Amino acid sequence: DTGVSQNPRHKITKRGQNVTFRCDPISEHNRLYWYRQTLGQGPEFLTYFQNEAQLEKSRLLSDRFSAERPKGSFSTLEIQRTEQGDSAMYLCASTSRDRGHYEQYFGPGTRLTVT
Amino acid sequence: TQLLEQSPQFLSIQEGENLTVYCNSSSVFSSLQWYRQEPGEGPVLLVTVVTGGEVKKLKRLTFQFGDARKDSSLHITAAQPGDTGLYLCAGVANAGKSTFGDGTTLTVKP
Repeated sequence: DTGVSQNPRHKITKRGQNVTFRCDPISEHNRLYWYRQTLGQGPEFLTYFQNEAQLEKSRLLSDRFSAERPKGSFSTLEIQRTEQGDSAMYLCASTSRDRGHYEQYFGPGTRLTVT
Repeated sequence: TQLLEQSPQFLSIQEGENLTVYCNSSSVFSSLQWYRQEPGEGPVLLVTVVTGGEVKKLKRLTFQFGDARKDSSLHITAAQPGDTGLYLCAGVANAGKSTFGDGTTLTVKP
């Protein structure tokens, strides 16, 4: 079990550019979640997948954000036309329903800085 | 909207002291989880509590879930500098989606 991995760990971009982040979940986990965390706050839910299906999106996920999980394995989160307010830590988590409840395991995150 | 409030927001204590942090909500969750997060890293799951009134112990950490499954506490005995970090609670809905509090930042001074 190698855990959840995310790439890149850090991304600095200029306002208006597009960025894409990747998440590789724990292999046997069928659910994958994206969260965003800003300084001094807890993670906020963005969206989640069960296998390849995107089942829920938060109102935080504007039309500049898109997420995919094409084969039910890794996922990508793309932000188009980045804004300074997009600067945050983007966290990915995966889970399976074990013993009747879910336990999420987080990756190390991708720190995005928009200048 | 389900909200989780954590208190205190910041806590600074000396090594060897005991402490309790709290997580309160007006909503009922199917389970509640505690995480510890270090700067620049993702949260690491410490424990999941499921049953109202449940108490779980993890070495010097004791977690309690309220009878009504709306609140929880984390008690640390004889805190050590290695306990320093951000402690987050998260309420889990039936779909597995988590709602997080804003955390308690704990600093344990040697």
